[in-house]
Amino acid sequence: GAGVSQSPRYKVAKRGQDVALRCDPISGHVSLFWYQQALGQGPEFLTYFQNEAQLDKSGLPSDRFFAERPEGSVSTLKIQRTQQEDSAVYLCASSSDRTNYGYTFGSGTRLTVV
Amino acid sequence: GNSVTQMEGPVTLSEEAFLTINCTYTATGYPSLFWYVQYPGEGLQLLLKATKADDKGSNKGFEATYRKETTSFHLEKGSVQVSDSAVYFCALRPPRGDKIIFGKGTRLHILP
Repeated sequence: GAGVSQSPRYKVAKRGQDVALRCDPISGHVSLFWYQQALGQGPEFLTYFQNEAQLDKSGLPSDRFFAERPEGSVSTLKIQRTQQEDSAVYLCASSSDRTNYGYTFGSGTRLTVV
Repeated sequence: GNSVTQMEGPVTLSEEAFLTINCTYTATGYPSLFWYVQYPGEGLQLLLKATKADDKGSNKGFEATYRKETTSFHLEKGSVQVSDSAVYFCALRPPRGDKIIFGKGTRLHILP
């Protein structure tokens, strides 16, 4: 596609509910990144894929967070048993190869846990 | 470790004023440096970048110079417009690294 597409755009979850956030990267982009952006803060790295391999998941805040990219294209970020502190905008980005210096970001999914 | 520090906002200026948003970084070696912009309701967009010392990145009238001696990458624009109102993020990518590390962002308001 023309850009990085994320869905849903907005998600309201009750505390304890599981959620799944989808990212559709630019076609052919090898690298895919997930970031978490709390209100008024900069994006914080969560995890990184190169094709289907998850090469870095050091930023995932707890074992309730899980990401996958089984066919090296679409990725899903899953959050189990959501808590209020999970409320944030979740950003996905992709880039064409490991030497590319910048990413293309999607518009994000705003998650509100009530 | 690697980190980015940028001036806190909000920054409020009148149209046509000169803009500087300060950014300094901590990193080993020579990281790549970026400025991203986030307009209201939109995702992050790459504004400009510089990949080695003394490089100047520029786009849409904005400029930033990679200063290794002062570990800085300040964003400047000679004459701002109302449409420049947004949040600006300074960021770095470590050498041989994959993830980009962002500063906290600086909100810019331009008054007509």
